Amino acid sequence: DIVMTQTPLSLSVTPGQPASISCRSSQSLLHSDGKTYLYWYLQRPGQSPHLLISEVSSRFSGVSDRFSGSGSGTDFTLTVSRVEAEDVGVYYCMQGIHLPLTFGGGTKVEIK
Amino acid sequence: EVQLLESGGGLVQPGGALRLSCAASGFTFSTNAMSWVRQAPGKGLEWVAAITGTGGSTYYAASVRGRFTISRDNSKNTVFLQMNSLRAEDTAIYFCAKAPLNTVTTGGFDFWGQGTLVTVSS
Repeated sequence: DIVMTQTPLSLSVTPGQPASISCRSSQSLLHSDGKTYLYWYLQRPGQSPHLLISEVSSRFSGVSDRFSGSGSGTDFTLTVSRVEAEDVGVYYCMQGIHLPLTFGGGTKVEIK
Repeated sequence: EVQLLESGGGLVQPGGALRLSCAASGFTFSTNAMSWVRQAPGKGLEWVAAITGTGGSTYYAASVRGRFTISRDNSKNTVFLQMNSLRAEDTAIYFCAKAPLNTVTTGGFDFWGQGTLVTVSS
């Protein structure tokens, strides 16, 4: 199974400041079709997860441009350019290249 | 608007069975793979099972293989998870999740339901 490792476990951010979350996979997520199947989800408190970023860097419909994804191969980063109160919750990365689909352990983001 | 509405959760004794349902609307159901993902209390996300659009192929996590069965009824826009031989460690919120394409991998999940809680306890 592909192991997804996220750091840090938690993050406390001042509103308006940037935040970055790292995700590392135990195998390359680069598919033979040339795409890299790494996704980012946010689970707000008491809610179900929702999609932020597909294929490393493609923002899902309606997602703020404050969110951006980058990386390649086995190392990926989610960056929030200016954190707002609505960004609190747990962020998960997920690999979609091999079954079983696996998630990182999550990064909890809170506001200072 | 895509909507996924899970139901069927509840309290069940160890060794018991439960059938979860996920009613979908707002998209052409038969053209999308579907998955179940669970979250134990206070824990992270775990993919459980997936099924292709026609229902012809199914896939399972090792932790549930042989005990859980995923199926779908495209005439009713519903995906199911039959859970047998339940264990305490199966206690979790179970989410159904829609893939953007008819692929179990290489698509991720673009929409999630609100989840249904399954508690396995005596």
